[in-house]
Amino acid sequence: DAKTTQPTSMDCAEGRAANLPCNHSTISGNEYVYWYRQIHSQGPQYIIHGLKNNETNEMASLIITEDRKSSTLILPHATLRDTAVYYCIVRVMGYSTLTFGKGTMLLVSP
Amino acid sequence: GAVVSQHPSRVICKSGTSVKIECRSLDFQATTMFWYRQFPKQSLMLMATSNEGSKATYEQGVEKDKFLINHASLTLSTLTVTSAHPEDSSFYICSASGGGEKLFFGSGTQLSVL
Repeated sequence: DAKTTQPTSMDCAEGRAANLPCNHSTISGNEYVYWYRQIHSQGPQYIIHGLKNNETNEMASLIITEDRKSSTLILPHATLRDTAVYYCIVRVMGYSTLTFGKGTMLLVSP
Repeated sequence: GAVVSQHPSRVICKSGTSVKIECRSLDFQATTMFWYRQFPKQSLMLMATSNEGSKATYEQGVEKDKFLINHASLTLSTLTVTSAHPEDSSFYICSASGGGEKLFFGSGTQLSVL
């Protein structure tokens, strides 16, 4: 079973920030937090990952709580093309697979 | 970023025929590849893990004789659905790892068995 808990769905207005929460209270010390998204009928797309520190790239920011039991993915200025299912996954870096939960369906509206 | 190419993107076949899906890592050596299956409105389910040059490891409930996986080189893995039936209709997705931080995914193959 997936080790993360995410809301089933969220709505966001275009141009506003989308904040997607994720709980991973049983995360181990060597597990990273990964975020992927899947646009309908496509393969998952990597967004960002982190271990302890907050991370930012051209797509998003990842905020991880100090106790590492939860995190938030932030899309700073959501566009219609950001409508997708967002998956929060914990994974040991290296050769291990990704176990997908149900994810959060983010709907960005005009 | 690294690219994983999956082909074909869509295939329609008759019941009883076999279908081969290819997954290639274009700019890195994929020592490990994963195959997933996704039914409509459901999440991705891992089917099997393959390491280059060795037999694939299948998840519980996945028939290894039906879903043949070959990972003969560091850039190519194939999934063959043998004697396909309508219940095998699904979205199949591969992913590849070079042992680094990220796992990259193909664009998926929609299989429809008539």
